[in-house]
Amino acid sequence: EVQLVESGGGLVQPGGSLRLSCAASGFIFSRYEMNWVRQAPGKGLEWVSYITSPGTTRYYADSVKGRFTISRDNAKNSLYLQMNSLRVEDTAIYYCAREGGSSTSWAFDMWGQGTRVTVSS
Amino acid sequence: EVVLTQSPATLSLPPGERATLSCRASQSVSSQLAWYQQKPGQAPRLLIYDASHRATGIPARFSGSGSGTDFTLTISSLEPEDFAVYYCQQRRDWPPLTFGGGTKVEIK
Repeated sequence: EVQLVESGGGLVQPGGSLRLSCAASGFIFSRYEMNWVRQAPGKGLEWVSYITSPGTTRYYADSVKGRFTISRDNAKNSLYLQMNSLRVEDTAIYYCAREGGSSTSWAFDMWGQGTRVTVSS
Repeated sequence: EVVLTQSPATLSLPPGERATLSCRASQSVSSQLAWYQQKPGQAPRLLIYDASHRATGIPARFSGSGSGTDFTLTISSLEPEDFAVYYCQQRRDWPPLTFGGGTKVEIK
């Protein structure tokens, strides 16, 4: 089955760290650029980070720059988001999303089910 | 940063009616605009990419149009499963990649 499955979310205190994972299956993961997108409770979608297929280029939203690090392991078909110095405003559902490449240009044609991150004391 | 403004915030229509959703960009994004549908408790789903191309498996009642700064998503005849929140997204001028604030289509 073609899918993305996130894990690693949970409750963490302000200033703490979490590492999110996204396991890909059913497609050639190494060929696709990947993103993290988050959604705070009751709010809209916010792009968080992007990584190229070989992992050589990474971009971040200003709101997470210097605190979050995106990475991938193509041998393990996995995407990661290391989140440090977490703030209350980082509370959200975090989705990994695949860019469609040649089929849908840059648009996000596949999403995981999301993992919930709660930052609270 | 390109700001995407969606209107209206909420659209109340009965099933069978035509829905017209707007997305306006603060600067030209050419045709690099996508539309997503999100239902409660679910991840977003890609509907339209490059302003007017339907993604795989998307019914023909969904259509996208526009270029530059003004875009429209049209649902020709609302089905019960179409009541959801719709987001536009651009990647013409990035980072950051940006989303609009969303339009909720609700049953009237």
